[in-house]
Amino acid sequence: GAGVSQTPSNKVTEKGKYVELRCDPISGHTALYWYRQSLGQGPEFLIYFQGTGAADDSGLPNDRFFAVRPEGSVSTLKIQRTERGDSAVYLCASSLDGSNYGYTFGSGTRLTVV
Amino acid sequence: GEDVEQSLFLSVREGDSSVINCTYTDSSSTYLYWYKQEPGAGLQLLTYIFSNMDMKQDQRLTVLLNKKDKHLSLRIADTQTGDSAIYFCAEFRWGTDKLIFGTGTRLQVFP
Repeated sequence: GAGVSQTPSNKVTEKGKYVELRCDPISGHTALYWYRQSLGQGPEFLIYFQGTGAADDSGLPNDRFFAVRPEGSVSTLKIQRTERGDSAVYLCASSLDGSNYGYTFGSGTRLTVV
Repeated sequence: GEDVEQSLFLSVREGDSSVINCTYTDSSSTYLYWYKQEPGAGLQLLTYIFSNMDMKQDQRLTVLLNKKDKHLSLRIADTQTGDSAIYFCAEFRWGTDKLIFGTGTRLQVFP
């Protein structure tokens, strides 16, 4: 696609439920990143994929968070047993090869846990 | 973003210059970036500078880097109301393959 696409754009869920957030990167981009942006904060790194494998998942806050990228393109961020503190905007970005010329970000998914 | 610091708010009159400052802590950072975020939108890459440069100009944008003091600034000339947004600086840390963002500076431009 022309840009990084994230769906849904908004998600409201009840505490304790399971959610999946989807990211469709720019076609041909091998590197994919997930960030979380809480209100009034800068984006915080969660996980980085190079191809199908997670090259760095050091930012995932706990084992309720998991992400996959089975075919090296679309990625899904999965959150189990959601908590109110998980409410944030989840941003996805991709880059051609993980080099440092800046990433292209999607518009994000705003997750609200009630 | 706790290692990359920015002032929270800046207000300027339309037509004036804006200067947004950022202090980072990792001297091994190779690239430093400025991103713009408008309400409800993702992050838009504005410009970047390599760590061996001290200045980069791109139309109305001028980036200054003081590597000794780990200080980065973004100057926007002839600021317009469309420049109102949150501006994030970010550093790319060598060996980590990830961007570390600051907390963002909200720029408000008034007529």
